Amino acid sequence: AQKVTQAQTEISVVEKEDVTLDCVYETRDTTYYLFWYKQPPSGELVFLIRRNSFDEQNEISGRYSWNFQKSTSSFNFTITASQVVDSAVYFCALSNNDYKLSFGAGTTVTVRA
Amino acid sequence: DAGITQSPRHKVTETGTPVTLRCHQTENHRYMYWYRQDPGHGLRLIHYSYGVKDTDKGEVSDGYSVSRSKTEDFLLTLESATSSQTSVYFCAIAGQGNYGYTFGSGTRLTVV
Repeated sequence: AQKVTQAQTEISVVEKEDVTLDCVYETRDTTYYLFWYKQPPSGELVFLIRRNSFDEQNEISGRYSWNFQKSTSSFNFTITASQVVDSAVYFCALSNNDYKLSFGAGTTVTVRA
Repeated sequence: DAGITQSPRHKVTETGTPVTLRCHQTENHRYMYWYRQDPGHGLRLIHYSYGVKDTDKGEVSDGYSVSRSKTEDFLLTLESATSSQTSVYFCAIAGQGNYGYTFGSGTRLTVV
């Protein structure tokens, strides 16, 4: 069985602060894939990143960065210099070779001006 | 456009009535999924499909059935809707290689 835990239910920050979203996963497979999705208030799910289990390199995309650590089964997401437009629900998700995508409960990020 | 559409976008139905939600894709992807989203639970998998007439249950499949008679369509049926099935339903598609899952815009279903 696979499981994704996002322990932070809600995070509120002031604009320009950094915010880190935690994601811890469980899986018995050696090959698996980790994802982050953003769900803005409009409701659609927006793909942010995919990482496979053999690639532990951290990644940066603009103000977004991801830290993947297999030793702690974590795939954390940081937004640097947050903006009001970053306000959304963020989901971490995991799939393995059976192509079943499992989600965490999500973290609601509110960025105040 | 990602090539996935859900219909209807909104629906209100009465307890005990059957309801069918449709997911249509133009990407020719093999894998299709139905999720429901409820506060505090994230998205939970209801059913999924590996191909035409090849489906399997997810973690919250009770009260739901699916059919996939064509690659492009994946139908979710609530045989007898209950208030606990009030939710937002998302369809998703994925191709080979696990490169990513694309989601539809969602269907907001209210059972009264």
